[in-house]
Amino acid sequence: DTGVSQDPRHKITKRGQNVTFRCDPISEHNRLYWYRQTLGQGPEFLTYFQNEAQLEKSRLLSDRFSAERPKGSFSTLEIQRTEQGDSAMYLCASSLVSGSGSSYNEQFFGPGTRLTVL
Amino acid sequence: GESVGLHLPTLSVQEGDNSIINCAYSNSASDYFIWYKQESGKGPQFIIDIRSNMDKRQGQRVTVLLNKTVKHLSLQIAATQPGDSAVYFCAERTDNYGQNFVFGPGTRLSVLP
Repeated sequence: DTGVSQDPRHKITKRGQNVTFRCDPISEHNRLYWYRQTLGQGPEFLTYFQNEAQLEKSRLLSDRFSAERPKGSFSTLEIQRTEQGDSAMYLCASSLVSGSGSSYNEQFFGPGTRLTVL
Repeated sequence: GESVGLHLPTLSVQEGDNSIINCAYSNSASDYFIWYKQESGKGPQFIIDIRSNMDKRQGQRVTVLLNKTVKHLSLQIAATQPGDSAVYFCAERTDNYGQNFVFGPGTRLSVLP
């Protein structure tokens, strides 16, 4: 257990429905990341937050995807109008970046939310 | 539980032998590399990291080697144990200071009794 939790662990939904996932990072960590992982592949970066600010989004994050971290603690990832191609494991990770800006920082991953779109 | 990497290349080693897992990375400007271990049903777990200004770094039973000339990274596990069975990913950071890590395709390590 890394200290990063995700909820739910599994989600089955029908195409066209909206889904929302939650990530609770390690409490003192100021950075939070979302990744997507499909079977047989490594995780693919989606987006990350520094405190409550969303600083980077990948091209994978279509306009149906939105992520928030309103108070700089937990984060939510919402997918609207789900498609079968959205079926994947959605991983959250967190890290602590010091005020000096040191950027060699370990990311701690949660167990993931497995999404299946029927 | 969750199955990770159903069609990944597999490395099979005898318990007690040393394992070497290789990774070719893509970006010559990448400045930071991490090896992760992922067991079925779990998220990736940090094993060891190395910065681009280093060639070698050692941890407990693990060593990472970086060859920037050929853009190659390897993970060596000494005295492999059954608990080492998992999928291993290398990740490179392609943008300095940023957090865009690109993961490799992964290798499944299977430890034989």
